[in-house]
Amino acid sequence: GEDVEQSLFLSVREGDSSVINCTYTDSSSTYLYWYKQEPGAGLQLLTYIFSNMDMKQDQRLTVLLNKKDKHLSLRIADTQTGDSAIYFCAEIFSGGYNKLIFGAGTRLAVHP
Amino acid sequence: NAGVTQTPKFRVLKTGQSMTLLCAQDMNHEYMYWYRQDPGMGLRLIHYSVGEGTTAKGEVPDGYNVSRLKKQNFLLGLESAAPSQTSVYFCASTHPAGRGTDTQYFGPGTRLTVL
Repeated sequence: GEDVEQSLFLSVREGDSSVINCTYTDSSSTYLYWYKQEPGAGLQLLTYIFSNMDMKQDQRLTVLLNKKDKHLSLRIADTQTGDSAIYFCAEIFSGGYNKLIFGAGTRLAVHP
Repeated sequence: NAGVTQTPKFRVLKTGQSMTLLCAQDMNHEYMYWYRQDPGMGLRLIHYSVGEGTTAKGEVPDGYNVSRLKKQNFLLGLESAAPSQTSVYFCASTHPAGRGTDTQYFGPGTRLTVL
């Protein structure tokens, strides 16, 4: 079945880079997403990558996609305290209707 | 352009009570979804709709019903609330596949507690 896995916690020092990893199972997913959830808020789309790409860069964010290993990562450069949040990896379920399969979320804590 | 809105933001129910959560979107999206979020489990799909007048079951549909009488609204109903339905509920919407990046846009959530 479809499954998306992420580590649950990551702690980094302010100014360092953060790398959040994700593995997925559906090799036919067209898009893979990273969503950010701040405390008490909804999910905000952070970035996405199309399945025929290996890398996407967007300011401080770099997404790497390894289709062979079904591995997705999100790198945040120069991590700031405002980056503290839960980050969800998601893939589109190939069964249609754009249904998303989410990982459990990685809680990123940024400390001085 | 408000995007996706949800009402209410918070609600406390007693076991056995009923309630309806309302989701509205102003982006003319065809597809709408209801998720629940529980600690350590990410988001799980309850029901979804691919157009006005249509609904379908998701991953965890038991104990919930939905209706999509208007394209912009998607209602989630709990007929007889149970403590296991204590959760945060999120609504989302998107265009059909092939129209853009298939990105789902989320509402701010409804925090429901069932005592």
